[in-house]
Amino acid sequence: ETGVTQSPTHLIKTRGQQVTLRCSSQSGHNTVSWYQQALGQGPQFIFQYYREEENGRGNFPPRFSGLQFPNYSSELNVNALELDDSALYLCASSARTSGETQYFGPGTRLLVL
Amino acid sequence: DQQVKQNSPSLSVQEGRISILNCDYTNSMFDYFLWYKKYPAEGPTFLISISSIKDKNEDGRFTVFLNKSAKHLSLHIVPSQPGDSAVYFCAASGIQGAQKLVFGQGTRLTINP
Repeated sequence: ETGVTQSPTHLIKTRGQQVTLRCSSQSGHNTVSWYQQALGQGPQFIFQYYREEENGRGNFPPRFSGLQFPNYSSELNVNALELDDSALYLCASSARTSGETQYFGPGTRLLVL
Repeated sequence: DQQVKQNSPSLSVQEGRISILNCDYTNSMFDYFLWYKKYPAEGPTFLISISSIKDKNEDGRFTVFLNKSAKHLSLHIVPSQPGDSAVYFCAASGIQGAQKLVFGQGTRLTINP
């Protein structure tokens, strides 16, 4: 059984640029959630995707957007990057949209200069 | 508004003794609680969970206790081992709608030989 994988592991961008982060869910999981973890904080929910549709969103602006593909993999896109977007971005997959444990990938460390 | 709080940023315990990590929450709609362990440069690893219909759940050396009236949960690790040194996050969610996990700020546990 393959776990959750994310790419790239690290990324450096400059303010105003756009970035795409990728996630492959654990086999058998149809739901993907994205979280942002700033230094010294717990992860914060960005949004969840189920059956290729957004299924819940946290307190993040519209420049954070996502996609889910038929194979349940997912992308997180961030436009007009700001310095405060520097963080660890975590993807988690689960077998259902709720009431089910989420399993996390290793994360992508994004640095915005 | 921090709905899930871990008031101890760090905890140091001697190897072989009991480690007790605490977590408080404010939202009475939460009914599913989880503990994750995180090593540097890795994603959070699921440890143990508990639903609100229970007050205790055990898995090997790990036991989670839930006190709904006090809106408090704790994780007990017995006996503590050096490999348990990590940052521990508690998380909470509701079963209705998207499973947005709300995390505490984390507690860094250090097991001393």
